[in-house]
Amino acid sequence: KQEVTQIPAALSVPEGENLVLNCSFTDSAIYNLQWFRQDPGKGLTSLLLIQSSQREQTSGRLNASLDKSSGRSTLYIAASQPGDSATYLCAVNGNTGKLIFGQGTTLQVKP
Amino acid sequence: ETGVTQSPTHLIKTRGQQVTLRCSSQSGHNTVSWYQQALGQGPQFIFQYYREEENGRGNFPPRFSGLQFPNYSSELNVNALELDDSALYLCASSWITGAEQYFGPGTRLTVT
Repeated sequence: KQEVTQIPAALSVPEGENLVLNCSFTDSAIYNLQWFRQDPGKGLTSLLLIQSSQREQTSGRLNASLDKSSGRSTLYIAASQPGDSATYLCAVNGNTGKLIFGQGTTLQVKP
Repeated sequence: ETGVTQSPTHLIKTRGQQVTLRCSSQSGHNTVSWYQQALGQGPQFIFQYYREEENGRGNFPPRFSGLQFPNYSSELNVNALELDDSALYLCASSWITGAEQYFGPGTRLTVT
């Protein structure tokens, strides 16, 4: 049974700092992995999708990496801004379309 | 291009009642998935519909049921509501099973 864990559960950093969010999964037989952002009480915004054959994806200040063999993914946020404050969720897809989510990391970026 | 939309935004129901939530998928997407997100938790997969057929189900009881229509919009029905059904219900669409999923804004259901 696939399990997804995100560490830390919460993170507070000063504006401008670079940071890394971690995601680990127990079954390496994944089809892809998605990182999402969720603002309080809102839906999920897709940030990056990494296919199982890829090692990383980049979008603006965001970079996501994937190491299937070790069951890990990281989301790197460069030069953090107060507007980045949100909960970040990772989810793995085993090719059934069923996303298995972690509990999320709640990020606060202080001005 | 219109994104995923859900209605209603908020809903308050009494224990034992029935509720129907609606979702319109993104243009060109034929796969719709439903998720339940309790406060402070990650979303949990309820079920998925592909071309009007159920295509996978999570660990939810039969009182959670769904439909997908020819235009690929979808409904989630919950019978005999329980207090623990209070959650944010999220709908996601994709152009095919396994592809990137795009989420709607969610419906906040409160059961009293």
